[in-house]
Amino acid sequence: AQRVTQPEKLLSVFKGAPVELKCNYSYSGSPELFWYVQYSRQRLQLLLRHISRESIKGFTADLNKGETSFHLKKPFAQEEDSAMYYCALSPSNRDDKIIFGKGTRLHILP
Amino acid sequence: EAGVTQSPTHLIKTRGQQATLRCSPISGHTSVYWYQQALGLGLQFLLWYDEGEERNRGNFPPRFSGRQFPNYSSELNVNALELEDSALYLCASRPDRGQLFFGEGSRLTVL
Repeated sequence: AQRVTQPEKLLSVFKGAPVELKCNYSYSGSPELFWYVQYSRQRLQLLLRHISRESIKGFTADLNKGETSFHLKKPFAQEEDSAMYYCALSPSNRDDKIIFGKGTRLHILP
Repeated sequence: EAGVTQSPTHLIKTRGQQATLRCSPISGHTSVYWYQQALGLGLQFLLWYDEGEERNRGNFPPRFSGRQFPNYSSELNVNALELEDSALYLCASRPDRGQLFFGEGSRLTVL
């Protein structure tokens, strides 16, 4: 069965320090992976997707098929990065649903 | 371009009642997803509609149901409400493939 695991419910990081939000997945095919972010009082929105291989707001994520991971990284945290982050898996099978991890709350300390 | 819209924003019901939540997708998007966002549980997949058909449903009891209309808008119905149904219900639309675009959600409170 497909599954997305975000092991940390809460991650507190000092401003200027590196950030890594972990995401591991379980899926037998070749999925597409996404990171979504929800800032306070805003709707959930896409941050980045693995096929784009781009950096958004300084964040990057590399798909590691061997470790089935898609960790989100940023070298220097900023206070405006404080938000809820969700990792999501879109299966290669068109009939399978898109699933999300439970989310990690990132808290940037001043 | 108008985003995904959901109504009502807030809804208060009592146990045993029924709730109906509505979602209008982005124009041109035929696929609508419903998720339940309860505290500490992340986004739990509820239902997926595409081209008017139910394509998949999550591990929720049958009292959670919905439909998609010819204009691709959708509604989620929750019958026989229970206290634990209190949550934010998120709707998202999607073009054929790619990312989900989310609405702001409908907050359901069951007393």
